[in-house]
Amino acid sequence: QVQLEQWGAGLLKTSETLSLTCAVFGGSFTDFYWNWVRQSPGKGLEWIGEMRHTGTTKINSSLRSRVTLSVDTSRKQFSLKMTSVTAADTAVYYCAQGEAHYQLESWGQGTRVTVPS
Amino acid sequence: SYVLTQPPSVSVLPGQTARIPCAGHNIGFKSVHWYQQRPGRAPMLVVYDDSDRPSGISERISGSNSVNMATLTLIRAEAGDEADYYCQVWDSDSDHVVFGGGTKLTVL
Repeated sequence: QVQLEQWGAGLLKTSETLSLTCAVFGGSFTDFYWNWVRQSPGKGLEWIGEMRHTGTTKINSSLRSRVTLSVDTSRKQFSLKMTSVTAADTAVYYCAQGEAHYQLESWGQGTRVTVPS
Repeated sequence: SYVLTQPPSVSVLPGQTARIPCAGHNIGFKSVHWYQQRPGRAPMLVVYDDSDRPSGISERISGSNSVNMATLTLIRAEAGDEADYYCQVWDSDSDHVVFGGGTKLTVL
């Protein structure tokens, strides 16, 4: 059973860069797809993107211009960077393990990111 | 882009059966996954590939998928089943994971 632990800055100012990292414990880092999902206050789930250990990425077209995903296979970690944040990016951000049919099997504990307006 | 539509809320009496629909064009041709999210918690996968359950998920939860509607069914509803439920698919046309808007299940 894969477990995910995530961390990163929780309070940002407008125009700063959001940076989050997720560490993978248990399971093979190369067998799965590594995802980021966010949830704005009181809203539903929004997929940000996924990355494979090979470096191949798929990113939500609505965020593509601001999002960079990366992996560190040696450390079994993957990361999210989002530039030029605004209040609209205030959300809980989750990392998640993706399986063969894109179901998200395991999730991190979530990181609350706040960008005051 | 592909759209999944869920009702904002569903109510059920204790001990009865709750059905949560998820509508999408030709969704029957896609693998549908379902998540349960309790307040303040991360989502949890409860059904994958239309009707399979991860280990540890209650047998009271099941899923089905046909033509333009997928359905999550909870039998013998309990207070502990109160949560938000989200359906999800992979849209191969856009290369995106797509979530439904979520349904709040209330056990009256």
